[in-house]
Amino acid sequence: SYELTQPPSVSVSPRQTASITCSGETLENKYICWYQQKPGHSPVLVIYQDDKRPSGTPERFSGSKSGNTASLTISGTQAMDEADYYCQAWDSSTVVFGGGTRLTVL
Amino acid sequence: QVQLQESGPGLVKPSGTLSLTCSVSNDSIDTSNWWSWVRQPPGKGLEWIGEIYHSGVTNYNPSLKSRVTMSADKSKNQFSLRLTSLTAADTAVYYCARVVVVLTTSGFMDVWGKGTTVTVSS
Repeated sequence: SYELTQPPSVSVSPRQTASITCSGETLENKYICWYQQKPGHSPVLVIYQDDKRPSGTPERFSGSKSGNTASLTISGTQAMDEADYYCQAWDSSTVVFGGGTRLTVL
Repeated sequence: QVQLQESGPGLVKPSGTLSLTCSVSNDSIDTSNWWSWVRQPPGKGLEWIGEIYHSGVTNYNPSLKSRVTMSADKSKNQFSLRLTSLTAADTAVYYCARVVVVLTTSGFMDVWGKGTTVTVSS
């Protein structure tokens, strides 16, 4: 079955840039989206189609992809960005989530 | 704005069947969107259960396919999940979500319900 691999945790200092990666085979041929989930809350879509921001997603969030690795970048990270982040792709008509990355703002 | 609301029992017995319903407000399930169920066991990540189109076409997670049935009721603007042969491993928060399809082979979940906690225990 298809797998997406994320680092379990990433730490960043306030106002610095955080980067969370998501890797998978043939990812270059798939669209990636990213969800933010804060404790006790539902996931929220922050990036779709690799690099598009829904209305309501702050501009400091950006998405990119190079080869089989996608990245979510948060510029000028704020304390409110501390959360779990999940990447997601489709493979053969099924949805696959990455294992999630806990972003800690130290 | 579009709202999704899950409903169903919070406690179900092992070997039993779970039935959940997602009610959709300010949108119609009779559109080009698909409608999905996702679950999250305590302290763990997201797991996709499956999705349904208003016509009744479904796609299921292969690991759950033998136990899952989804249905859609256009008259009530709802869609439902049925999961059989429950074990403790099915204990989770269950979310419903709207799926916007891109190029027929991809998509993203842009609206989520608040989730409902289901515990499997005798």
